[in-house]
Amino acid sequence: QSVLTQPPSVSGAPGQRVTISCTGTSSNIGAGYDVQWYLQVPGTAPRLLIYSNDIRPSGVPDRFSGSKSDSSGSLSIAGLQAEDEGDYYCQSYDTRLSGWGVFGTGTKVTVL
Amino acid sequence: QVQLLQSGTEVKKPGASVRISCRVSGHRLGDVSMQWLRQSPEKGLEWVGGFNPEEAARISAPNFQGRVTMTDDTDTNIAYMELSGLTSDDTAVYYCATGSVDFWSGYPSWGQGTLVVVSS
Repeated sequence: QSVLTQPPSVSGAPGQRVTISCTGTSSNIGAGYDVQWYLQVPGTAPRLLIYSNDIRPSGVPDRFSGSKSDSSGSLSIAGLQAEDEGDYYCQSYDTRLSGWGVFGTGTKVTVL
Repeated sequence: QVQLLQSGTEVKKPGASVRISCRVSGHRLGDVSMQWLRQSPEKGLEWVGGFNPEEAARISAPNFQGRVTMTDDTDTNIAYMELSGLTSDDTAVYYCATGSVDFWSGYPSWGQGTLVVVSS
């Protein structure tokens, strides 16, 4: 029932750069709502990595970067590290109800 | 830094209701816009509802309207979410989370999650 579409998985060797896409519609990202990104390690709650498309909260390494264009967002991880393994989710809002948060399908990142 | 501590695992029968608590520390509950979300393998992450400061009201996602009640006890700094008419589709991990300061920038802080199992 996830509204935003992400690739199921991406992988890369340590030190490589990987990028995760998040495709929405005119009812969410395309309507002008910002994109957030979360990392979830199994057995724990999601952790906010990027908000307002490209802003890192305090404590998030600068190898994580985000962007938005039209109805899509993307997250890049430069210099991939073993600790970056986990499930990544994008999130935005829907125009049909004020404050309705919508999430992506999730992308599993594997460090080879 | 706000911290959220949720109540423990719940096992319920179909048709029952469940109430989950979320204790806030490091901040006044009245100063955060508490949100509730859930996650299941079948449906992924879903926003259940929460307080929208722009609407000055608690709003729930269409799938939960009429079944969810969200309350804040500002005396104890505990937020509650009650979901009624449970079915097996409601089996999930439920999270409380704070809305961002401007409300539209995601969910910065999360509770540890509460597993709700609905089974006969």
